[in-house]
Amino acid sequence: KAGVTQTPRYLIKTRGQQVTLSCSPISGHRSVSWYQQTPGQGLQFLFEYFSETQRNKGNFPGRFSGRQFSNSRSEMNVSTLELGDSALYLCASSLAGLFNEKLFFGSGTQLSVL
Amino acid sequence: SQELEQSPQSLIVQEGKNLTINCTSSKTLYGLYWYKQKYGEGLIFLMMLQKGGEEKSHEKITAKLDEKKQQSSLHITASQPSHAGIYLCGADFSGGYQKVTFGIGTKLQVIP
Repeated sequence: KAGVTQTPRYLIKTRGQQVTLSCSPISGHRSVSWYQQTPGQGLQFLFEYFSETQRNKGNFPGRFSGRQFSNSRSEMNVSTLELGDSALYLCASSLAGLFNEKLFFGSGTQLSVL
Repeated sequence: SQELEQSPQSLIVQEGKNLTINCTSSKTLYGLYWYKQKYGEGLIFLMMLQKGGEEKSHEKITAKLDEKKQQSSLHITASQPSHAGIYLCGADFSGGYQKVTFGIGTKLQVIP
């Protein structure tokens, strides 16, 4: 079974631009979560999607948005990039996104904002 | 302050030595995840503890959950260079749809 796939692996953008990251969950998994990891703040929850609906959201500004497609694949978008958005963005999938369910992570997209 | 505090934040051990990493929660724990991460890469699932007093082992790694102390420990026996990486504990305090809070991580180096 293929794992969680994230593309691209690396991205370099400049301030003010926007970026879209993609995540394909493990086959059969319907929940996709996104996390931001920085050296100072660690891993922080962005949002969780199930059946194309956002069910949970972390404390991030509205510049961070996401969506999920009918095949459970998900995209995350960051508009008007700031230097502080430089981070490793990790996507995770699970069967139904329920409390205390096993969560599997992709390799991440390393975003650098110049 | 962090809801999940990990200690120590970094650890350097000689190959073959045992080590313990602790994760303490400021909230009631109903379950706890342990993951390992190589720098700049994704998280590898190690184990999940769901009941107080539960203990799980995988190869040379053992994790325990003490619900009364709101704490979990991860113990590595006879460490090897392959154990090097960042160990993260995570907990879901949502009680509903998945929203995992993670500790800042413990960076482990194993010297041959």
